Amino acid sequence: EAQVTQNPRYLITVTGKKLTVTCSQNMNHEYMSWYRQDPGLGLRQIYYSMNVEVTDKGDVPEGYKVSRKEKRNFPLILESPSPNQTSLYFCASSKGLAGSYNEQFFGPGTRLTVL
Amino acid sequence: EDQVTQSPEALRLQEGESSSLNCSYTVSGLRGLFWYRQDPGKGPEFLFTLYSAGEEKEKERLKATLTKKESFLHITAPKPEDSATYLCALGVVAGGYNKLIFGAGTRLAVHP
Repeated sequence: EAQVTQNPRYLITVTGKKLTVTCSQNMNHEYMSWYRQDPGLGLRQIYYSMNVEVTDKGDVPEGYKVSRKEKRNFPLILESPSPNQTSLYFCASSKGLAGSYNEQFFGPGTRLTVL
Repeated sequence: EDQVTQSPEALRLQEGESSSLNCSYTVSGLRGLFWYRQDPGKGPEFLFTLYSAGEEKEKERLKATLTKKESFLHITAPKPEDSATYLCALGVVAGGYNKLIFGAGTRLAVHP
């Protein structure tokens, strides 16, 4: 089954404790992206990757890191989480660049709470 | 500035009561207008892409239309299983690459 998987689905942590949210897709997609979703603000892009070893900042990159060492995986790293990073996070992938007529496939989401 | 606004924020319908959701936008270079459905606890699921004014697409009880300033998602004779949040997104060119700008969504509740 074609899908995007994320782990963990739920995470409660404390300020300053480094964490990684994993994302994996099995569709051989070039493009992957991370979004955060907050009430009233919609989905906002954090980072994106157009292919292996090619990543760039989205609209809200502060406090986040990513890496793309393999085509299927795109982990999101919070080196020192803060309470304002409490949010619902989605990973997405598509065959080509997002917005270039290509449907994005989204993962099930990771709900992160930073105390 | 590219931006997208969805209205209403929330909509409650009786089963069979048709209605429309609105997505208004301002954009310098549109690369597509996307509609997604999001169920509670799940990621958004792709519904439609519209590329030019006048274009229409249909899927079961849903029909999406596009003008130069807005898109509508028409829901005909909705059923309770149509209850979800519907997201509109603009495909735009920014910083040399294509990206999606999402609206905040419309929460639709259809009651029997």
